[in-house]
Amino acid sequence: AQKVTQAQTEISVVEKEDVTLDCVYETRDTTYYLFWYKQPPSGELVFLIRRNSFDEQNEISGRYSWNFQKSTSSFNFTITASQVVDSAVYFCAPGGGGYNKLIFGAGTRLAVHP
Amino acid sequence: DGGITQSPKYLFRKEGQNVTLSCEQNLNHDAMYWYRQDPGQGLRLIYYSQIVNDFQKGDIAEGYSVSREKKESFPLTVTSAQKNPTAFYLCASSYQGQNYGYTFGSGTRLTVV
Repeated sequence: AQKVTQAQTEISVVEKEDVTLDCVYETRDTTYYLFWYKQPPSGELVFLIRRNSFDEQNEISGRYSWNFQKSTSSFNFTITASQVVDSAVYFCAPGGGGYNKLIFGAGTRLAVHP
Repeated sequence: DGGITQSPKYLFRKEGQNVTLSCEQNLNHDAMYWYRQDPGQGLRLIYYSQIVNDFQKGDIAEGYSVSREKKESFPLTVTSAQKNPTAFYLCASSYQGQNYGYTFGSGTRLTVV
């Protein structure tokens, strides 16, 4: 069965600190996609990134970066120089468990304090 | 602008009543999904539909029902058989294929009073 583990339930940092959110997944699929979503206090999940299993290059988008390591089944997310607006719940979601079904982890709640 | 709309944002229900949550999308997405989120918890899949007039149970379908009569619409009914319906409900849609992510609605917070 597909499974995703976000071991950090809550993280609290002070503004401008760097923070890494961990994601470890299990899949039997040889090709698959991985996603990260952000859920701000308003409740709607916002798409952050999509990565396919063929591409292990790290990706950077502004203050956000992602480290995908297929050998360890991990897809970690780093926020550099965190800001208060980064406070949210972040979900890792591998594609699997059936056609077009994303499997969501329990989420990591990030609190960035001024 | 294209998007996915859930209504109402807040909903109160008396015990023993059925209630229907609305989800409409104008993104021309084939697939639609309903998730339940409890405080401090992740998302659990209730039902999903890949095409019109077809839908499948997710992990926690008991006490819920859905219909997919139109591509744009995927309403969720929370029946009186659902023992603990108070939760945040999220609707999502996507194109077919595992390489597409989901677009989410803004959610409906259901409270049983």
